[in-house]
Amino acid sequence: KNEVEQSPQNLTAQEGEFITINCSYSVGISALHWLQQHPGGGIVSLFMLSSGKKKHGRLIATINIQEKHSSLHITASHPRDSAVYICAVRYSGGGADGLTFGKGTHLIIQP
Amino acid sequence: NAGVTQTPKFRILKIGQSMTLQCTQDMNHNYMYWYRQDPGMGLKLIYYSVGAGITDKGEVPNGYNVSRSTTEDFPLRLELAAPSQTSVYFCASSFLQLAREGEKLFFGSGTQLSVL
Repeated sequence: KNEVEQSPQNLTAQEGEFITINCSYSVGISALHWLQQHPGGGIVSLFMLSSGKKKHGRLIATINIQEKHSSLHITASHPRDSAVYICAVRYSGGGADGLTFGKGTHLIIQP
Repeated sequence: NAGVTQTPKFRILKIGQSMTLQCTQDMNHNYMYWYRQDPGMGLKLIYYSVGAGITDKGEVPNGYNVSRSTTEDFPLRLELAAPSQTSVYFCASSFLQLAREGEKLFFGSGTQLSVL
């Protein structure tokens, strides 16, 4: 079964630190999503990317198709970035959503 | 725009009871989805719909039913609740098939369901 592995599972950092969350997958994909799940439970799409790099504010997402790996970076982290970050991939030939979700990385930013 | 509205937020059911989780979106999205999220696990697709009148099973459909009579609404029905259905349920929608740059999933706020 195609899986999505995220690391680390849990991450605690100090405010201002540069954060990196990793996502690895097993076979060819057509797209990769990064999602943010707030402490209250709501889920928000951050990025969808199929190649290269995307930036939105202090968030940067990169993907290396050859290595089957993506990273989500947070610069100048802030306590409000505390959330669960979820990686999901769309495997080539997948169904209507075709998404396989990782288990998430629980990030805590301490002031 | 309200986006994706999901009700109720919390519910406790007894084994064998039935209930419907409501989901409506006002973005004229074709694709709608129901996911469940169990502790420590990734989201799993229960059912999805690619348009009014068209639904299909996802990865974990047993014990659930759906209908899509309008573009806006996609209710999820639990007929005979079992403890294994204790989970957090999310409804989501997208305009297209999530395979192109810029496509996004829009989520409801979730329903925390306990079956005792």
